[in-house]
Amino acid sequence: NAGVTQTPKFQVLKTGQSMTLQCAQDMNHEYMSWYRQDPGMGLRLIHYSVGAGITDQGEVPNGYNVSRSTTEDFPLRLLSAAPSQTSVYFCASRRIYGYTFGSGTRLTVV
Amino acid sequence: AQKVTQAQTEISVVEKEDVTLDCVYETRDTTYYLFWYKQPPSGELVFLIRRNSFDEQNEISGRYSWNFQKSTSSFNFTITASQVVDSAVYFCALSVGNQFYFGTGTSLTVIP
Repeated sequence: NAGVTQTPKFQVLKTGQSMTLQCAQDMNHEYMSWYRQDPGMGLRLIHYSVGAGITDQGEVPNGYNVSRSTTEDFPLRLLSAAPSQTSVYFCASRRIYGYTFGSGTRLTVV
Repeated sequence: AQKVTQAQTEISVVEKEDVTLDCVYETRDTTYYLFWYKQPPSGELVFLIRRNSFDEQNEISGRYSWNFQKSTSSFNFTITASQVVDSAVYFCALSVGNQFYFGTGTSLTVIP
């Protein structure tokens, strides 16, 4: 099925642990992005990519790394998780201003 | 700077009532896109509509309608004859260039 696939759906981390949230799309979209959703704050852009090998920061990039080696994949890395990174994370891809979102990853850092 | 404001944090209506969700945006760019997304309790984001800055025509889709007014920088969303299944959080969003800005959302509860 065409769309944006995020894994895992749920994750609990201990402070200081590292992990990668996976995002893959099969629509050949050039633009992909990561957002975090926190209560009362809507969704905020973390990082985005306009194509393989090109990434840039969004509104809240600190504590997160991204890379884009292929058009299909755009992983989000937390190198040293902090409780402030407890959130729901959404990946999205876009083509000509049509956004498709993944189903989200609920991350808890204890 | 770009900004989207959804002043209504929570709204409750009785089933079959009409309800309007407000959205006010700020941007100095002349080319932009506006969106509405629905987030039901299951958590996924469901695309409802996209409107570009050059198209002020209002749109109706079934019980949903959208009113885009550049003069007031608003993009309001009306649900006619609301149903329990409309209960969700609704997000208005603005896209300018490669950046995407969400409002803080309006939580709609439709009471049977």
